[in-house]
Amino acid sequence: DTGVSQDPRHKITKRGQNVTFRCDPISEHNRLYWYRQTLGQGPEFLTYFQNEAQLEKSRLLSDRFSAERPKGSFSTLEIQRTEQGDSAMYLCASSQEPGAQEQYFGPGTRLTVT
Amino acid sequence: AQTVTQSQPEMSVQEAETVTLSCTYDTSESNYYLFWYKQPPSRQMILVIRQEAYKQQNATENRFSVNFQKAAKSFSLKISDSQLGDTAMYFCAFMKGYSGGSNYKLTFGKGTLLTVNP
Repeated sequence: DTGVSQDPRHKITKRGQNVTFRCDPISEHNRLYWYRQTLGQGPEFLTYFQNEAQLEKSRLLSDRFSAERPKGSFSTLEIQRTEQGDSAMYLCASSQEPGAQEQYFGPGTRLTVT
Repeated sequence: AQTVTQSQPEMSVQEAETVTLSCTYDTSESNYYLFWYKQPPSRQMILVIRQEAYKQQNATENRFSVNFQKAAKSFSLKISDSQLGDTAMYFCAFMKGYSGGSNYKLTFGKGTLLTVNP
């Protein structure tokens, strides 16, 4: 399977702990996106990378959140000092330029903060 | 900023019948793309159909077609010959085009849960 993969699929953590998620995009895709989806809502944009450069961050991405894509391949999203409001599905998507309109989504990481 | 509105939180349809999901959007951009994504229960989101704003012809993909009304900023999805596997959450999404300095991020509506009944 050469689609977008995410790990872990589920994460339960206690408030105040740090968590890190990983996303592996489709191998030839140079753009990578992170979205957050809460119950009953559509996904909301968090940040995106073109190759290894992080080019935009949403105001939703507080200073407790950090994302990296060190070699322009996989990406990590870390949340420090988790809060209950961070409970959500975190989705990763990738796309390729040119013709970058179509984004391919991974299965998501469901985070539950207790 | 762009907004996408899906006014139908839930819909149901009988197998083999036709159903239309509504979507409206608000933007001042002239160059953009519109999408319908499908998210089946506990499965990942997949693209159903896309429409370039500069194209007057409505997009069609097999049983899925759109009614794109640019002036009205309306973008509805019609599913013909509904199948049980069409049961899913459907999201309408907007993307600014390149000329608008786009980073190609998607702005989603809240979704419509479609249930196809046997």
